[in-house]
Amino acid sequence: EIVLTQSPATLSLSPGERATLSCRASQSVSSYLAWYQQKPGQAPRLLIYDASNRATGIPARFSGSGSGTDFTLTISSLEPEDFAVYYCQQRSNWSYSFGQGTKLEIK
Amino acid sequence: EVQLVESGGGLVQPGGSLRLSCAASGFTFSSYEMNWVRQAPGKGLEWVSYISSSGSTIYYADSVKGRFTISRDNAKNSLYLQMNSLRAEDTAVYYCARVKPYYYDSSGYHAPYYFDYWGQGTLVTVSS
Repeated sequence: EIVLTQSPATLSLSPGERATLSCRASQSVSSYLAWYQQKPGQAPRLLIYDASNRATGIPARFSGSGSGTDFTLTISSLEPEDFAVYYCQQRSNWSYSFGQGTKLEIK
Repeated sequence: EVQLVESGGGLVQPGGSLRLSCAASGFTFSSYEMNWVRQAPGKGLEWVSYISSSGSTIYYADSVKGRFTISRDNAKNSLYLQMNSLRAEDTAVYYCARVKPYYYDSSGYHAPYYFDYWGQGTLVTVSS
């Protein structure tokens, strides 16, 4: 089973700042990695898939990069609505796994 | 508009059973792979089970194997999760999630590995 480890657990930033979230896989997942955003009381929303492709309707301030075992989600300039929990996710050998999440909070 | 609406959650005693349903609309349900994903209170996301578009291929997380059964009725546009021998650690919000289908474009092949639509979830509480 591939384990995804996200860092940091909590990130405190102000609106307008740049956010960089990390996801590390225990073994290579090639580029098959996604990022989701989840706000309190809501279902997760797909942001990025295949490491760097924005999902439909996702603003350009969200970008993803990486391959193999190290991946990054970058939010170029934080908007108030971006403060949420972010999860990475992969699929391999007919099993899916999620990272434990990074909480992006307002400083 | 794609919609996924879960139902069937509630309070159940340890060892009991519950059947969750997910009603799909706004897309051709029979063409899509589906999953159940759960989230314990205050915790992260955990994948539970996968079913192919025809229902012929099914997978489970080790934590629920032998206790949960996923199924679908394409004629009724519905996904199900039969949960038996429930434990306290099964307490969670259960989401149904659609798999984003594969496609090809100028950058190559895009795998069907991600969840592009989610329901609002249904809460299952296992407690005496």
